[in-house]
Amino acid sequence: EPEVTQTPSHQVTQMGQEVILRCVPISNHLYFYWYRQILGQKVEFLVSFYNNEISEKSEIFDDQFSVERPDGSNFTLKIRSTKLEDSAMYFCASSEPGRGTTQYFGPGTRLLVL
Amino acid sequence: GESVGLHLPTLSVQEGDNSIINCAYSNSASDYFIWYKQESGKGPQFIIDIRSNMDKRQGQRVTVLLNKTVKHLSLQIAATQPGDSAVYFCAERSPGGNTPLVFGKGTRLSVIA
Repeated sequence: EPEVTQTPSHQVTQMGQEVILRCVPISNHLYFYWYRQILGQKVEFLVSFYNNEISEKSEIFDDQFSVERPDGSNFTLKIRSTKLEDSAMYFCASSEPGRGTTQYFGPGTRLLVL
Repeated sequence: GESVGLHLPTLSVQEGDNSIINCAYSNSASDYFIWYKQESGKGPQFIIDIRSNMDKRQGQRVTVLLNKTVKHLSLQIAATQPGDSAVYFCAERSPGGNTPLVFGKGTRLSVIA
């Protein structure tokens, strides 16, 4: 069964450093999303992406964040200058066109900012 | 699992019993509601969804009930198994297609063998 994959599974970085989290969505999906989950809290929406541009973004997704689809298979989330409060699990999700409800999630990247 | 576990409501059930997990949603305009299961160290896994024009939908061993009057959603798991132990999240989606999911806090289900 097709699945969303994410790399790395864990990332430790120093405050102020840039990180890039990578995702490979399900191949026939056209809508891509990033969510995050801070320890002990709810899953929160960051950004959605369709047709090579951002569709929606939350207030969390400030200028420190960016997304990119550099090729036909990868979808990345970049945090330019990480802060302590960026420590969280970051989940990528994708969905088929016309069936946005069924968003399929990857296993996540655990980011720890020291 | 530990990323979501610190202060969640917990439901403990005996193996073989039925489980009912409840969720109150916030947006009366939401048109889709979804239940996800999150096992330890994994991402949310889709279980079942329901449109706002329905009040019940059944899947394999699972049933979702929607009460729009009181903005309440429930997930019923029949004959609960040890493999059902996980954190369960409800999520809602605003109309418009491919809109972001808004997740609830989650409930930890523990199945006692």
